[in-house]
Amino acid sequence: GQQLNQSPQSMFIQEGEDVSMNCTSSSIFNTWLWYKQDPGEGPVLLIALYKAGELTSNGRLTAQFGITRKDSFLNISASIPSDVGIYFCAGPHNTQLTFGSGTQLTVLP
Amino acid sequence: GAGVSQSPSNKVTEKGKDVELRCDPISGHTALYWYRQSLGQGLEFLIYFQGNSAPDKSGLPSDRFSAERTGGSVSTLTIQRTQQEDSAVYLCASSLSGTGVLPLHFGNGTRLTVT
Repeated sequence: GQQLNQSPQSMFIQEGEDVSMNCTSSSIFNTWLWYKQDPGEGPVLLIALYKAGELTSNGRLTAQFGITRKDSFLNISASIPSDVGIYFCAGPHNTQLTFGSGTQLTVLP
Repeated sequence: GAGVSQSPSNKVTEKGKDVELRCDPISGHTALYWYRQSLGQGLEFLIYFQGNSAPDKSGLPSDRFSAERTGGSVSTLTIQRTQQEDSAVYLCASSLSGTGVLPLHFGNGTRLTVT
């Protein structure tokens, strides 16, 4: 099946710093999604990207859909403690949503 | 209304026993998904329901796993003769339709521990 390679696996950053994570695939996706999962909860959709080259912002979050349709990145600016969690990229494959393995973000005070 | 509700939130069972996990999707959502999340891993697709039928059950890892959905609403995931490798968080998600799979609304999961 489809595989999404997400990096880095984990990040430790200081509060206030910017952070960037990305996702690549060997196959083309027509949609890229970014989810965040807080401890003990299910993932929540942060940003959806529908068009190659699209750059979309949601508050301090910015995500881009790569021109080749095989990659996407997520940036978080001016990180705060509540940004802690696991960030997943995802893309639809037939009727499924395929998820990357996640980036565990820790924000240090 | 309420979001996706899953029960129990935690389940500890002995190896070899059967378990049943329940999912109440958002009212009106026709598509329902089950995923499995092992410690430190991403989400592994198990099965997709559209209404009461399951057009894609390709992710079920073995014949010990089964799922059903009744009334186009509640779904149960059953694991028979549980094994230790079944320990994981089982997440349910629902969506207005399964065509674009967007957006998926997840429950908080059932954490299954097989001892």
